[in-house]
Amino acid sequence: NAGVMQNPRHLVRRRGQEARLRCSPMKGHSHVYWYRQLPEEGLKFMVYLQKENIIDESGMPKERFSAEFPKEGPSILRIQQVVRGDSAAYFCASSPGEFTEAFFGQGTRLTVV
Amino acid sequence: GDSVTQMEGPVTLSEEAFLTINCTYTATGYPSLFWYVQYPGEGLQLLLKATKADDKGSNKGFEATYRKETTSFHLEKGSVQVSDSAVYFCALSGRSGGGADGLTFGKGTHLIIQP
Repeated sequence: NAGVMQNPRHLVRRRGQEARLRCSPMKGHSHVYWYRQLPEEGLKFMVYLQKENIIDESGMPKERFSAEFPKEGPSILRIQQVVRGDSAAYFCASSPGEFTEAFFGQGTRLTVV
Repeated sequence: GDSVTQMEGPVTLSEEAFLTINCTYTATGYPSLFWYVQYPGEGLQLLLKATKADDKGSNKGFEATYRKETTSFHLEKGSVQVSDSAVYFCALSGRSGGGADGLTFGKGTHLIIQP
């Protein structure tokens, strides 16, 4: 059973471009969580999704950021018109249920130049 | 709001040394407490957890005790190995059951064990 897969591992974007980060949860997991780690900071919760539903997006910036978890395929975190301050490591986690242990991916390191 | 403070790294120790990584928290109510570990090139893994005061979580020789009176959850190991080299994250969840939507993390402590 493969772990949580995130790709790409590293992503470089110029200011104003779009960044798309992908997360494939573990097999059988229907709950996905996105976290962001800014330099010198701890991981911060962004959004919690179940298949085709956003459950909690209280940690996600209101503008330029969006997330989806379609019926088929990976979860996508999309950042439009990236700025230097978006440079961070973005971690995805998945779990089989709402109050169960979550398993994290290796993260995507986004660099905005 | 909730917050977690853990000791700055890197922490460098010799093999077989005693390890303590301090973690203190601020939270309302009665959070669950966790230690996660991230080995080089891998994702975060749950190392141990405690869900109520005075509980002790343990795994792979690591231990941490939930101390409500000092709001602490220090990670300890009696004899570290080179393979313990990793980044360790202390975290809390204010939500029942510790679902990953409610996790608040510390900044992480990079542990380096030298042979």
